[in-house]
Amino acid sequence: EPEVTQTPSHQVTQMGQEVILRCVPISNHLYFYWYRQILGQKVEFLVSFYNNEISEKSEIFDDQFSVERPDGSNFTLKIRSTKLEDSAMYFCASIPGQGASQPQHFGDGTRLSIL
Amino acid sequence: RKEVEQDPGPFNVPEGATVAFNCTYSNSASQSFFWYRQDCRKEPKLLMSVYSSGNEDGRFTAQLNRASQYISLLIRDSKLSDSATYLCAVIQGSARQLTFGSGTQLTVLP
Repeated sequence: EPEVTQTPSHQVTQMGQEVILRCVPISNHLYFYWYRQILGQKVEFLVSFYNNEISEKSEIFDDQFSVERPDGSNFTLKIRSTKLEDSAMYFCASIPGQGASQPQHFGDGTRLSIL
Repeated sequence: RKEVEQDPGPFNVPEGATVAFNCTYSNSASQSFFWYRQDCRKEPKLLMSVYSSGNEDGRFTAQLNRASQYISLLIRDSKLSDSATYLCAVIQGSARQLTFGSGTQLTVLP
């Protein structure tokens, strides 16, 4: 069964550095999402992406965050200047289209640790 | 009021027990509903979608009550391998993003 893949599995970065998290969504899917989960807290929506642009974003997704799909396969999340509170698991998800009941399937996540 | 609320537990039950989790959501315009299972430090994995008429998948039964805005998950004959955190998720918003509850922790004891 096709799956969403994410790299790296674990990223350790100094505070203030830029970090790029990568995702390869399921082939032929059209809608892409990033979520994050701070340790011990719930999974939170960050941003959705469709047709090469952001379709919706949460309050968490401020100017320090950006997303792009540079080559038609990778879907990346960039954090420009990381803060300690960015430490979390980051999950990517995708769906084929906007069918009413399509569940999202998640990649196995990137653990981001900010020192 | 939180958008999606769950009892955090923990629920500690013996093998073979039946256990039920509830989840309430605040947005009456919510469109679709799911239960996910999450093991420690892993990604959420889809357990089942929840349909208006209720649906069953083996030992798992999900129900939706739109009038009262809650969904439920029933696990029968629980196994040790059912130990996990169960996340309720609701689709809201034009981009169909998921809003998750905080999860209910289940431990099945031998």
